[in-house]
Amino acid sequence: SQQGEEDPQALSIQEGENATMNCSYKTSINNLQWYRQNSGRGLVHLILIRSNEREKHSGRLRVTLDTSKKSSSLLITASRAADTASYFCAPISGYSTLTFGKGTMLLVSP
Amino acid sequence: DADVTQTPRNRITKTGKRIMLECSQTKGHDRMYWYRQDPGLGLRLIYYSFDVKDINKGEISDGYSVSRQAQAKFSLSLESAIPNQTALYFCATSDPRDSNTGELFFGEGSRLTVL
Repeated sequence: SQQGEEDPQALSIQEGENATMNCSYKTSINNLQWYRQNSGRGLVHLILIRSNEREKHSGRLRVTLDTSKKSSSLLITASRAADTASYFCAPISGYSTLTFGKGTMLLVSP
Repeated sequence: DADVTQTPRNRITKTGKRIMLECSQTKGHDRMYWYRQDPGLGLRLIYYSFDVKDINKGEISDGYSVSRQAQAKFSLSLESAIPNQTALYFCATSDPRDSNTGELFFGEGSRLTVL
């Protein structure tokens, strides 16, 4: 299994602004997933993008994947205070288990 | 009711005590996992089980043991707790039919403090 590395470690924005966070990984993948964790709670799956996809949307979420650069980005548009959470990426190779990096801590202020 | 239930949610214990954290799920998933989360270190995999007869060590299994009592139950034990095992512990499940995606479903966590 491999661990993704999220960047930035922390991000602070105002409500209504867009939030972009990035994920880098080291080896080829089958897919990459993004999870959200509200403070002290369990992680919740947000979106999955497969290695043959370049972009995927789900509501206010937009995920891109660049396999040549081994990187992904998660864009949250029109952020809300309720989006305040930590966000983790999880790259998956083969049938490996998921591992998680330190995440990006997003703070959305009213 | 939650699909993945962890008990206890919070526990304070003393060094040297035996502690068991329990996880039960109603999702019908064969695969179950235990992770620990420490501030600033992300989540690290302790043990995982792909079915009742299968137990595998993760990256930080030392000091821990597990028991898969049934498809729905996966327990994590600390035989002799030590302070650096103070952490937030998560149980998770996944469906092998989604092996190509590996999506995890997490419990709400068990916060363990070892004094």
